[in-house]
Amino acid sequence: KAGVTQTPRYLIKTRGQQVTLSCSPISGHRSVSWYQQTPGQGLQFLFEYFSETQRNKGNFPGRFSGRQFSNSRSEMNVSTLELGDSALYLCASSLMGLSTDTQYFGPGTRLTVL
Amino acid sequence: KNQVEQSPQSLIILEGKNCTLQCNYTVSPFSNLRWYKQDTGRGPVSLTIMTFSENTKSNGRYTATLDADTKQSSLHITASQLSDSASYICVVSGQAGTALIFGKGTTLSVSS
Repeated sequence: KAGVTQTPRYLIKTRGQQVTLSCSPISGHRSVSWYQQTPGQGLQFLFEYFSETQRNKGNFPGRFSGRQFSNSRSEMNVSTLELGDSALYLCASSLMGLSTDTQYFGPGTRLTVL
Repeated sequence: KNQVEQSPQSLIILEGKNCTLQCNYTVSPFSNLRWYKQDTGRGPVSLTIMTFSENTKSNGRYTATLDADTKQSSLHITASQLSDSASYICVVSGQAGTALIFGKGTTLSVSS
């Protein structure tokens, strides 16, 4: 069974630009969640999508948004990039969500904002 | 404020030795607590998930304990191997599977 895939793996952008990251979950998984990981703050939860609906949201500004498609693939968008957005962005998929399901993480997208 | 604190921040042990990592949380209400292992440059991998009613769960050489009364958890690694060198992250979920609160992790280095 193929794992969670994320594209691209590396990305360099400049301040003010916007970026879209993609996540393909494990086949059959309906929940996709997104996380930001930085050396200073560690892992932080961004949001979770289930059946194309945002079900849970972390404490991030509105510049961070996402969506999920009918095939459960998900995209995350960050607008008006800031230097502090440089981070590893991880997505995870699970069958039903954040309750007690095992989350399977992808390898992440490393975003560098210059 | 919902928080998850892990200790120690880093740890160095010799191959074959045991070690215990700690996690204290203030998340309330509580749904479940997870331990993840994250190798450098890779996404986290789930080790254990425990709900309020569970106080111990094992996954091979990894054994997690949970005391919901004191809001403490530990991860015990038996007979450590070089491949155990990684960051170990404790994650707590509020009720009904709401947003996850992450600890900052313990970096474990196993040397030969």
